Amino acid sequence: SQQGEEDPQALSIQEGENATMNCSYKTSINNLQWYRQNSGRGLVHLILIRSNEREKHSGRLRVTLDTSKKSSSLLITASRAADTASYFCATDAWQGGKLIFGQGTELSVKP
Amino acid sequence: GAVVSQHPSWVICKSGTSVKIECRSLDFQATTMFWYRQFPKQSLMLMATSNEGSKATYEQGVEKDKFLINHASLTLSTLTVTSAHPEDSSFYICSATPSGRGFSGANVLTFGAGSRLTVL
Repeated sequence: SQQGEEDPQALSIQEGENATMNCSYKTSINNLQWYRQNSGRGLVHLILIRSNEREKHSGRLRVTLDTSKKSSSLLITASRAADTASYFCATDAWQGGKLIFGQGTELSVKP
Repeated sequence: GAVVSQHPSWVICKSGTSVKIECRSLDFQATTMFWYRQFPKQSLMLMATSNEGSKATYEQGVEKDKFLINHASLTLSTLTVTSAHPEDSSFYICSATPSGRGFSGANVLTFGAGSRLTVL
């Protein structure tokens, strides 16, 4: 079952602005991951944050995790048109190794 | 880095025929592979976990006789959509992770590029 819910479902911003996407989940997790999907393509892993971490950075990406609220956020700073894609959070609850994906946020960055 | 190849990338077939989709890990061995299905503008729905040398584990609501999964080697898993119907039209994506979890215990997936199935 899909346990992740993301908001917003769609986000449209101008190049150079920051984009923030949120993800909520329902069960206890081992870690939470963010993936990106370009239209009609497979997913690409972006960043992973463990359940005992609160914040993590990777380049222009910043991920936070609040296990008490069962939520995470992905911030993309100084967005570029090439960041246009769908972004999914995925939770790993040690359920035989399978990841459960959120509903995704469709990001559009206008040049 | 880990690479997963999926083939074909798109296929069109007639209703009632069967279609096989291959998922290969090119530079690593994968004891476990995962098959997902994605409808337009929706999330990925896990269909089944493919286990090398044993039967696949299907998610609730997924017909195992409809979606046959075979994981005959550590680098190849196949999904066969049997007697396909228009409602089976979808985007199917496989993923894999190197055998065993990393030292951190994290299960980071490498995805294939997906296969778009259209059943007429």
